[in-house]
Amino acid sequence: GIQVEQSPPDLILQEGANSTLRCNFSDSVNNLQWFHQNPWGQLINLFYIPSGTKQNGRLSATTVATERYSLLYISSSQTTDSGVYFCAVRLGGFQKLVFGTGTRLLVSP
Amino acid sequence: GAVVSQHPSRVICKSGTSVKIECRSLDFQATTMFWYRQFPKKSLMLMATSNEGSKATYEQGVEKDKFLINHASLTLSTLTVTSAHPEDSSFYICSARPNGNTEAFFGQGTRLTVV
Repeated sequence: GIQVEQSPPDLILQEGANSTLRCNFSDSVNNLQWFHQNPWGQLINLFYIPSGTKQNGRLSATTVATERYSLLYISSSQTTDSGVYFCAVRLGGFQKLVFGTGTRLLVSP
Repeated sequence: GAVVSQHPSRVICKSGTSVKIECRSLDFQATTMFWYRQFPKKSLMLMATSNEGSKATYEQGVEKDKFLINHASLTLSTLTVTSAHPEDSSFYICSARPNGNTEAFFGQGTRLTVV
């Protein structure tokens, strides 16, 4: 099956710093989403981004489908950005999402 | 965005009992819903795909008699953990996509502890 690897696995930042999270996938996909899982377990939709670039406030994402990777940029990080970030992909013809390994982010004041 | 509501958010039960978890799409209809399981500090693993009006499709290695899924309407899917044991303790989370939409939305999750 498809492999979805995220890097780095863990990241510690000072408040105000910028960061880039990466998602690599081993097969062609027709759907890619980024999520933030907060400390209570809730998955929050960040981006639906099968290709191209999107921005939402301090966050932006870029997916290069032909090269099988996606990047999530967090600028001017805040303590509330702490949590786990997941990318998830869906293969053509399948309905289910396959989750990446996750990046655990801790932003300290 | 679309809203998926999951209930209960937390449940503690005794070994041998059954627990039912509900997943509702509040503002859209969903022919298909998905049930995931997450162990501490791990990623989400798909357990099964719930199909309205028909049998669920289970992932390899998931016991269908242990995890009963019912999708009786276009807005409700239920997961019943039968004869629960401590190893069933985990975080269970459901997902749904509005019909015709490609973006998935998730419930708040249910933390199950079997004692």
